[in-house]
Amino acid sequence: QSVLTQPPSASGTPGQRVTISCSGSSSNIGSNAVNWYQQLPGTAPKLLIYSNNQRPSGVPDRFSGSKSGTSASLAISGLQSEDEADYYCAAWDDSLNGPVFGGGTKLTVL
Amino acid sequence: EVQLVESGGGLVKPGGSLRLSCAASGFTFSSYSMNWVRQAPGKGLEWVSSLNSDSTYIYNADSVKGRFTISRDNAKNSLYLQMNSLRAEDTAVYYCARGFTALVQTPRFDCWGQGTLITVSS
Repeated sequence: QSVLTQPPSASGTPGQRVTISCSGSSSNIGSNAVNWYQQLPGTAPKLLIYSNNQRPSGVPDRFSGSKSGTSASLAISGLQSEDEADYYCAAWDDSLNGPVFGGGTKLTVL
Repeated sequence: EVQLVESGGGLVKPGGSLRLSCAASGFTFSSYSMNWVRQAPGKGLEWVSSLNSDSTYIYNADSVKGRFTISRDNAKNSLYLQMNSLRAEDTAVYYCARGFTALVQTPRFDCWGQGTLITVSS
């Protein structure tokens, strides 16, 4: 059972916009920044969004993040087949005194 | 090019020990916090351990406290994870990951290694 809660799966067709939610509590998302990772099949995770809504260089602007209260969301617009991957949210948890990850969401492009 | 390369994985019996290494290159290793994150087969990411740039602050997940020890050698640009009293549930791919600052803060890990597989089985 992960501290941050994500839906196990999401799907969309090419060109669509999909969102992935991440729910936490006051000790993590409610008081700290959220980061998102993309893990393509068979590869290491890659930082996709940091500080709630910032994109590292090289990440397409199709990817965006937001945070409100104790929840965060990752949005992917103009869905492409290469976006098929697992997505994880992560934040520092003040009670646990360490980082926590969501359980991950497997995105399928239909 | 920023690069992290893990080594030391393999098969170990329950109760055994193993030491993982992570060789860093392409950046000033001594200026960054470092982390270990693991992923059990078919499962999600789990944070294991972190330390700041000069090893003065160390953080461990409850699941590994008292069994795993993170350390670094800035002169050798290397990160380590000493794993003792291994259990079947420690079976996972272990990734080393760079933090974005010298301090251990938000899990903003901007560079990851390719991972090394640890299998704990008799």
